[in-house]
Amino acid sequence: GENVEQHPSTLSVQEGDSAVIKCTYSDSASNYFPWYKQELGKGPQLIIDIRSNVGEKKDQRIAVTLNKTAKHFSLHITETQPEDSAVYFCAVNGSGNQFYFGTGTSLTVIP
Amino acid sequence: GAGVSQTPSNKVTEKGKYVELRCDPISGHTALYWYRQSLGQGPEFLIYFQGTGAADDSGLPNDRFFAVRPEGSVSTLKIQRTERGDSAVYLCASSFKAGAGTDTQYFGPGTRLTVL
Repeated sequence: GENVEQHPSTLSVQEGDSAVIKCTYSDSASNYFPWYKQELGKGPQLIIDIRSNVGEKKDQRIAVTLNKTAKHFSLHITETQPEDSAVYFCAVNGSGNQFYFGTGTSLTVIP
Repeated sequence: GAGVSQTPSNKVTEKGKYVELRCDPISGHTALYWYRQSLGQGPEFLIYFQGTGAADDSGLPNDRFFAVRPEGSVSTLKIQRTERGDSAVYLCASSFKAGAGTDTQYFGPGTRLTVL
């Protein structure tokens, strides 16, 4: 199956700074790459996604970039706020209908 | 509109007991997924339904795990003879349709299962 690696596992930034989380995957056939935010005691919430026909997508303070040749994609959060503190997961679609998730990044935004 | 709901939110059981976990997907979503999330890990796929049928159950760890979706809406994940290693958060997700895994999946809050 798909092998998804996510880095870093923990990330602390000062409020207002940017945060970047990176994921790599192994299956070149994958074509859908969502990012989820998970707060304590809650289910994952989709924050942004990108499909393989584009290289970058932006939604306000959040952006995702995709390099299909290198098989990696990144989440960028600008002007971070304390409420951005959570665990972030990247995911990749498999050959079926399942998603393969990374191991998560615990982001802490320090006020 | 209402999101994916899961009941119970927490379930504590004893080793060897049988448990049922329920998922109510977003209205109109034909695809439903079950994942299991262990502490500090990302969700791991268990099974996927398209309508009433289990289209892919390759993630079920063994035959103690079974899931049904008899009317194409609510789904129940059933675990027999529970073991301590089954302790995890069980997440349900739904999507409007199943399109080779590229349709957005919306997750419920999960059921935290603890096997003593």
